[in-house]
Order: sequence, then C-alpha cells, then structure tokens
Amino acid sequence: KAGVTQTPRYLIKTRGQQVTLSCSPISGHRSVSWYQQTPGQGLQFLFEYFSETQRNKGNFPGRFSGRQFSNSRSEMNVSTLELGDSALYLCASSSGQDSGNTIYFGEGSWLTVV
Amino acid sequence: DAKTTQPTSMDCAEGRAANLPCNHSTISGNEYVYWYRQIHSQGPQYIIHGLKNNETNEMASLIITEDRKSSTLILPHATLRDTAVYYCIVRVALGGGSQGNLIFGKGTKLSVKP
Repeated sequence: KAGVTQTPRYLIKTRGQQVTLSCSPISGHRSVSWYQQTPGQGLQFLFEYFSETQRNKGNFPGRFSGRQFSNSRSEMNVSTLELGDSALYLCASSSGQDSGNTIYFGEGSWLTVV
Repeated sequence: DAKTTQPTSMDCAEGRAANLPCNHSTISGNEYVYWYRQIHSQGPQYIIHGLKNNETNEMASLIITEDRKSSTLILPHATLRDTAVYYCIVRVALGGGSQGNLIFGKGTKLSVKP
C-alpha cells in the first residue's frame, strides 16, 4: 500500500511569507506527526494529531501550526517565515491504536526561505 | 534530550555484517527500542523495533540485552545502499490515539565500503 505522501517536495519562499505543507498518511492510519530537520538542530518534533485533535506539541513558536482533517490528511502552516525556518519538514503516520504501533515517515518537504 | 547513546560513525566492509550498538541505560519497562535509518535527503526509514526479546525481519536483527540497557542492530550482509545515518530511539508506544513523539539523537553514520 502507498506510503506517507507529502506535497510539495520542494519549495522556495521569501521571508515574511507563509507556507502550507500537506501530508497524506498511510491508508488506515489516523495519527499524524510533523518533524523539522535542520543541520544544526537535527530532527525535532513539532506536533501530533489524532482524530482531528492535537495530542502533543513540541517546543516551537506559535507561527507553526497544523490541523488534521476528517480523512486523516494533515497540513502544517508556518507564518511570517524566517530564514531559520529553512529545513526539511517530515510527516509521519501511525495507526495510533495499539501499543507498539510503528511510525512511518514520508520523504519530506524541503523548504528554503530566502 | 535523546535517551540513547550511539557512536558517531562506523565503517563496514561490503558483504560483512554491520553491528551498530546503542546504549539506553535509563530505559523504562514500557519503552520500546526503535531503529530508523536516514539516507541523505530522504525521510527516516523504519527498520525494526523490540521491547524485550530479540527481533528479526527482512532488513535486520535487533539484539536487546537481558537488562535492556543496551541493544545492537545487525545488518547481516551490508551493501553500499546501507550507507546511512542510523538512529536508535527509545519510545513509549502509547496507543490509544497517540503515537507520542520520537526524540532523535545524532545517530551513527554507517559507511559501507567496497
């Protein structure tokens, strides 16, 4: 079955703009998380959604937000972009149902802020 | 902070077994050991996970010590395509609607050489 799909794969934005990234989880998965990866900070957790509700949130400013739709698809938004937001943004999905459920990652969206 | 300690880098000859160690001395009884790898510019790929017992799948084997304070990921016949950063992660698999968040360390950069 299809894996986690993220769009767009690459994008360039200007400082001050906003961006929306999209994630389609593996079919049947209801839990979606987002991560940011930068050379300096590595992989860091942004937030997690299950059944359209945010379950956990990492230590990021309020400019970073997300949501989940009834079909489990998720979007994340970054407003007022800064140069430091340039990163690989990764979406991950899991069933969220049972103990030991595995988290699977998408290929990511590369964001460059200029 | 990550709850695991891994060597920064390792080399392995192609065709030989690659043994990647991980120390997780503060692991709790309900925490699983997960392994992911990340090939440059791609999303992390799930490899294997375990709680107490040793595990094997088509990609690798996971050996967990009896006291659960350390583990070893074994790639039985390493190929050039196994060159990647390998992450060992300790995670409480919550289920019940939450996948929790993965705390990534810096991982081990495995270089498989011809």
